[in-house]
Amino acid sequence: KQEVTQIPAALSVPEGENLVLNCSFTDSAIYNLQWFRQDPGKGLTSLLLIQSSQREQTSGRLNASLDKSSGRSTLYIAASQPGDSATYLCAVHGYSTLTFGKGTMLLVSP
Amino acid sequence: NAGVTQTPKFQVLKTGQSMTLQCAQDMNHEYMSWYRQDPGMGLRLIHYSVGAGITDQGEVPNGYNVSRSTTEDFPLRLLSAAPSQTSVYFCASSYGLAGAGRKDTQYFGPGTRLTVL
Repeated sequence: KQEVTQIPAALSVPEGENLVLNCSFTDSAIYNLQWFRQDPGKGLTSLLLIQSSQREQTSGRLNASLDKSSGRSTLYIAASQPGDSATYLCAVHGYSTLTFGKGTMLLVSP
Repeated sequence: NAGVTQTPKFQVLKTGQSMTLQCAQDMNHEYMSWYRQDPGMGLRLIHYSVGAGITDQGEVPNGYNVSRSTTEDFPLRLLSAAPSQTSVYFCASSYGLAGAGRKDTQYFGPGTRLTVL
């Protein structure tokens, strides 16, 4: 059974810092890995999807990497802003189902 | 496109009552799924569908039924609500899930917050 772990569970940083969120998974037989953002009381917003054949994807200040063989992905956020405060979730795509980590709660202070 | 829509946004039920959570998408997605989100448990898959007429169970299917008569709609039915079903329910959709590249991107609805007394 696929298990997804996100470290740290919570992170607090001052505005302007660069930061890294980690995601690890136990079964490397994945098709994609997707990073989401969830604001309190809201749904999930897709940030990036990395296909299993890719090493990284970039969108603005966000960069996600994937090392399938070691079962790891990282989400790098450059020059963090208070508006980045949210919970970040990673999810791995199996053949027919998605498995989520429990998320990293990020707080960026002005 | 409205994307993925869910109704209702909030619902309070008494133990034993039944109800249907509605989910619809207008993106012509084949894959649709239901999750529940509970504190400390993360998101867990309830049921999913890979196309009209095809459904399958996820990690926590007990107490829930689904059907998929059209591509657009994927309702979730609670047959006899229990307090353990108090949760936030999310519906999601995508073109595919495995091997369709960026079309595998999952899109989520805003959620239904359900309380069972």
